[in-house]
Amino acid sequence: GAVVSQHPSRVICKSGTSVKIECRSLDFQATTMFWYRQFPKQSLMLMATSNEGSKATYEQGVEKDKFLINHASLTLSTLTVTSAHPEDSSFYICSARDQSRSDANYGYTFGSGTRLTVV
Amino acid sequence: RKEVEQDPGPFNVPEGATVAFNCTYSNSASQSFFWYRQDCRKEPKLLMSVYSSGNEDGRFTAQLNRASQYISLLIRDSKLSDSATYLCVVNPTGNQFYFGTGTSLTVIP
Repeated sequence: GAVVSQHPSRVICKSGTSVKIECRSLDFQATTMFWYRQFPKQSLMLMATSNEGSKATYEQGVEKDKFLINHASLTLSTLTVTSAHPEDSSFYICSARDQSRSDANYGYTFGSGTRLTVV
Repeated sequence: RKEVEQDPGPFNVPEGATVAFNCTYSNSASQSFFWYRQDCRKEPKLLMSVYSSGNEDGRFTAQLNRASQYISLLIRDSKLSDSATYLCVVNPTGNQFYFGTGTSLTVIP
């Protein structure tokens, strides 16, 4: 099945620094990938849609200058949290769908997530 | 109104019990529906898609009621390993997916 690899799985950084999270589709191409954030005991919230070769689409309330997304190839999207602050501490997860599959009921595959702690 | 609404629970059931979760959605034009399972501090994993005619996978049965705009998940003969959060996911259109807040299930020995 489709596999999405996400790194790092856990990162602790100092306030004010930047952190880059990578999301790779290992055995399929993904023109679109999604970035989610999940705070404790809350649901996944879509942050942005990453589009290969073009600008990402951000959800309302998500600062595009703070959460930089780059989707330079069909298998890699990166999310950079710039000038991180403690309130950015969260579980960040990416997902992608194997678009070569025509079955509309084929769901999305998630990366294993990145737990970011800003101290 | 939220796109997807779920009862957060928690549901605490004894081993062997049957438990059902419902999830309502607001967009009547929604095309695809899924149940995901998320274990604590892990990523969500697809449990099953929900087909219009309903579908079953072992102890799990998923159903769709378009008239009332809800989907359900039934778990029979609950196992300890079924303890997790179950997320209802709706795909209204294109690539947009909406997640419910999840329903927490604990199966008690």
